[in-house]
Amino acid sequence: QSALTQPASVSGSPGQSITISCTGTSSDVGSYNLVSWYQQHPGKAPKLMIYEGSKRPSGISNRFSGSKSGNTASLTISGLQDEDEADYYCCSYAESSTWVFGGGTKLTVL
Amino acid sequence: QVQLVQSGAEVKKPGASVKVSCQASGYTFTYLTIHWVRQAPGQRLEWMGWINTGNGITKYSQKFQGRLTISRDTSASTVYMELSSLRSEDTAIFYCARSVGATKELASWGQGTLVTVSS
Repeated sequence: QSALTQPASVSGSPGQSITISCTGTSSDVGSYNLVSWYQQHPGKAPKLMIYEGSKRPSGISNRFSGSKSGNTASLTISGLQDEDEADYYCCSYAESSTWVFGGGTKLTVL
Repeated sequence: QVQLVQSGAEVKKPGASVKVSCQASGYTFTYLTIHWVRQAPGQRLEWMGWINTGNGITKYSQKFQGRLTISRDTSASTVYMELSSLRSEDTAIFYCARSVGATKELASWGQGTLVTVSS
């Protein structure tokens, strides 16, 4: 089971928007609308930001949004803020009741 | 709100085993599915496996099959992750996390447990 493919890094200035892609296969992202996204600050546990591809848990800013097309899911952060600087991971439910994470993307706010 | 509290850091020698615990509160324990996720220093999150705390059924990533055992003690509302035949590459933070029924997201996470494998 290979990791989902994410860009290693993205960057943007405060107030701008960025999008992080997450590419899988027909065995995971392509077959299930069950992609979730996690934010991880250094030394902290991951935090759920998006689930079921596009839904936000209670308390998560509407600046965070998700989508999916085919085997690729995306996370968009609009109105970038300094506190958004973190690592972001996608995760998909996959065949045989397994889960698979992406390689992670480091977001730098310039 | 489910809270997950993990046991403390461990130092092990190569070839040894480690057992990390994850105690759940705030929800009926036997309704939970608990996962374990590994993160080596500076590396990505890596899914290891899960346990259905109600019936004890487990599922492991092929990568850890044969070395990983996830178990639970319902009387203590605690899930355990045991990894055997440790090597230096197993040095990592191990997280437990709870997934939500049909939507599968990892909604709650433990604080993480650092396991260091060193001779």
